[in-house]
Amino acid sequence: EPEVTQTPSHQVTQMGQEVILRCVPISNHLYFYWYRQILGQKVEFLVSFYNNEISEKSEIFDDQFSVERPDGSNFTLKIRSTKLEDSAMYFCASSLGPRDRRPLFGSGTRLTVV
Amino acid sequence: DQQVKQNSPSLSVQEGRISILNCDYTNSMFDYFLWYKKYPAEGPTFLISISSIKDKNEDGRFTVFLNKSAKHLSLHIVPSQPGDSAVYFCAASHGGSEDMRFGAGTRLTVKP
Repeated sequence: EPEVTQTPSHQVTQMGQEVILRCVPISNHLYFYWYRQILGQKVEFLVSFYNNEISEKSEIFDDQFSVERPDGSNFTLKIRSTKLEDSAMYFCASSLGPRDRRPLFGSGTRLTVV
Repeated sequence: DQQVKQNSPSLSVQEGRISILNCDYTNSMFDYFLWYKKYPAEGPTFLISISSIKDKNEDGRFTVFLNKSAKHLSLHIVPSQPGDSAVYFCAASHGGSEDMRFGAGTRLTVKP
């Protein structure tokens, strides 16, 4: 069964450093998403991406965040200057298209900012 | 953000019995509801969904009920199995937005 894959599974970074979280969405999916879950809190929407541009973003997704689809398979989330409060599980998800409103999630990347 | 609420942080059920997980929402614009299951160290796994034009959707052991007037939905698992032990998240969205809102989750434990 096709799945969304995320790398790395765990990333530790120094505060102020840039990190790139990588995702390979399901190959025939057209919509891509990033969500995060801070420990003990809810899963929160960050951003959605379609047709090579951001289609929607939340208030969490400020200027320190960016997303990119650098090639036909990868979808990345970049955090420019990490803060302690960026420590969380980051989940990538993808869905087939506008009528398919069931994003399928990857296993997540645990980001720890020290 | 309390648009989607799961008021029971945990639920314990005996194997073979019914598990009922509840979810309430406040945003009347929501028109699509989903349940995800999550095991530790894994991402949420899609279970079942329901559109607001329906009041029930069934898939094997899983049934979701939607009561729009009460802004309430529930997930029924019958019969419950030990492998169902996980955290269950309710999520909601509305047409025109890809921002899916999640509840805080309910940890289900099914005892053999």
